[in-house]
Amino acid sequence: QVQLVQSGAEVKKPGASVRVSCKASGYTFTSYGISWVRQAPGQGLEWMGWISAYNGNTNYAQKLQGRVTMTTDTSTSTAYMELRSLRSDDTAVYYCARAPLLLVRGDFRPMGYFDYWGQGTLVTVSS
Amino acid sequence: EIVLTQSPGTLSLSPGERATLSCRASQSVSSSYLAWYQQKPGQAPRLLIYGASSRATGIPDRFSGSGSGTDFTLTINRLEPEDFAVYYCQQYGSSWTFGQGTKVEIK
Repeated sequence: QVQLVQSGAEVKKPGASVRVSCKASGYTFTSYGISWVRQAPGQGLEWMGWISAYNGNTNYAQKLQGRVTMTTDTSTSTAYMELRSLRSDDTAVYYCARAPLLLVRGDFRPMGYFDYWGQGTLVTVSS
Repeated sequence: EIVLTQSPGTLSLSPGERATLSCRASQSVSSSYLAWYQQKPGQAPRLLIYGASSRATGIPDRFSGSGSGTDFTLTINRLEPEDFAVYYCQQYGSSWTFGQGTKVEIK
């Protein structure tokens, strides 16, 4: 069965960086993308970015450009999200989600939805 | 960036009733790239509908999606106790955005 297992909760000081991992199992990792979505306490869902595990292409939310980096390690079927220069409003639960791809004219494109999600990782930014 | 506006913010209904949730986009969205998710407290979101009207694996047929262009609807027929949750629409164009959510609560 498809599973996405994320790393544990983190507490960071303002200005620090955090790296969250997402280990995938139960499917061919390189045939899908991974998106990252966060949810501040009591708030809605915010899309952060996407990475293709097929070729490493990325697409980041404009508001996070320059502070976020998403990578994959295909040898361990693990995706990573690093967020730098943390602020208090980065306090949130961070989710990874599997993003199906479709082969279009020799290239894998996102199908636009997220079908399996990790359990979430709480990142708290506090001095 | 395409903005999705969901209405109403909260829907108060009784089990067995029908829920109709709206998602309006600031510009046209391809039907292929409109999805709906359900989220319960303390849980990750769950995919319900993709491609505007296709049910995800294991989703009961009381959930249905419709719409095109800028107006999309999620309908839940005969609400079950486990359906009371927050629902989000989401679109993909050049990037992804989510609506702000509609909470379906027990009346």
